[in-house]
Amino acid sequence: QVQLVESGGGVVQPGRSLRLSCAASGFTFSTFGMHWVRQAPGKGLEWVAVIYYDGSNKYYADSVKGRFNISRVNSKNTLYLQMNSLRAEDTAVYYCARVADQYSGGWYEDYWGQGVLVTVSS
Amino acid sequence: DIQMTQSPSTLAASVGDRVTITCRASQSISSWLAWYQQKPGKAPKLLIYKASSLEAGVPSRFSGSGSGTEFTLTISSLQPDDFATYYCQQYNTYSPPWTFGQGTKVEIK
Repeated sequence: QVQLVESGGGVVQPGRSLRLSCAASGFTFSTFGMHWVRQAPGKGLEWVAVIYYDGSNKYYADSVKGRFNISRVNSKNTLYLQMNSLRAEDTAVYYCARVADQYSGGWYEDYWGQGVLVTVSS
Repeated sequence: DIQMTQSPSTLAASVGDRVTITCRASQSISSWLAWYQQKPGKAPKLLIYKASSLEAGVPSRFSGSGSGTEFTLTISSLQPDDFATYYCQQYNTYSPPWTFGQGTKVEIK
């Protein structure tokens, strides 16, 4: 069965960096694109970033462009989100999620991890 | 960017009720729309993709319709397990960002 397990969250001061990881299992990771989606406390869902199955293309929300970097190591079945210059408004639960079907326009998320909380506070 | 607007924001209903949630896109997205259900403290769960295709394992009381800019999610007979928040998301192919609606909370009446 598909499993996505995020890690690396915690409390970090504004301006500092944090790297999230997402360990994937139960499917051929190297053939699926992957998303990061976040949810601020009590708020709705916000798409953050996507990476193609082979890492060849990456896209970001304007709110994180230039500060966050999505990457993957297919040999380790792991997705990453490097978050730099963190702000209070980046406080959220961060979910990794699988792209359902990149090859036919199915960019929606079909499987989600349980999420990891990132708190940006001094 | 494409904006997604859901209505209502909150809906109070009883078990057995037929429930309809609307999602409007700021420009045409063809049928590139998904619906998710989220319960408190849990990850979202995919219900519907491509506006009207039911995800495997999702009860048939859930259905989606629409195309272009107006979409609906219908629950034909609300069950106790259905009280949750529902989100639409456009995924107009190759055109990120893939934005979510603000959510509709379905509460017990």
